[in-house]
Amino acid sequence: DVQLVESGGGLVKPGGSLRLSCAGSGFNFDTYNMNWVRQAPGKGLEWVSCIGSSGRDRYYADSVKGRFTISRDNAQKSLYLQINTLTAEDTAVYYCAGGPPTPPGTTYQYYGMDVWGQGTTVIVSS
Amino acid sequence: DIQMTQSPSPLAISIGERVTIICRASESISSYLNWYQQKPGRAPKLLIHSASSLQSGVPSRFSGRGSGTHFTLTISSLQPEDVATYYCHQSFTTPWTFGQGTKLEIK
Repeated sequence: DVQLVESGGGLVKPGGSLRLSCAGSGFNFDTYNMNWVRQAPGKGLEWVSCIGSSGRDRYYADSVKGRFTISRDNAQKSLYLQINTLTAEDTAVYYCAGGPPTPPGTTYQYYGMDVWGQGTTVIVSS
Repeated sequence: DIQMTQSPSPLAISIGERVTIICRASESISSYLNWYQQKPGRAPKLLIHSASSLQSGVPSRFSGRGSGTHFTLTISSLQPEDVATYYCHQSFTTPWTFGQGTKLEIK
């Protein structure tokens, strides 16, 4: 089965750090462009970060730039998100999501994100 | 950043009726528009990519149209299992952005 499984969420104090992980299986992880998308309680979806299949290209939402770092290990079929200097506004369910390879001249998400994990919850509170 | 605006929300429709959800982009995004369905407590699910391409395994009652700044998601005949929140998502340029969501309910 195609699957993404996140881990690493939890309760953390403001200013703290966490490292989220996402393990992929059942598909060609090393060809997929991978993302983190979050959803604050009762709110909509917010894209956080994207990394290309090789790991060379990385993109971030302005709200997390400089605090979050996305990375991947294709040998381990894993995606990571290092999140630092957490604030209450970072409280959310964090989903990892992947999109298939896209044609040259298009963007990494031309075909959308067709594989999603179940999410891991990050709560920032003192 | 490109702003995505959905309408209407919430939306209450009777079983068997046709549903149309509108998504507007603040600037042209060509056909770089995707639609997701999210049921309570679940991860989003891709329904439509590239504005009008039905994702594999998605029922044919779902369809998407549009280009530029105006897009629609249509459910031809609403089924009980379609109760969910629907999001449009532009993939034209970073930061990728989502609409605020349209909550679909049964009348």
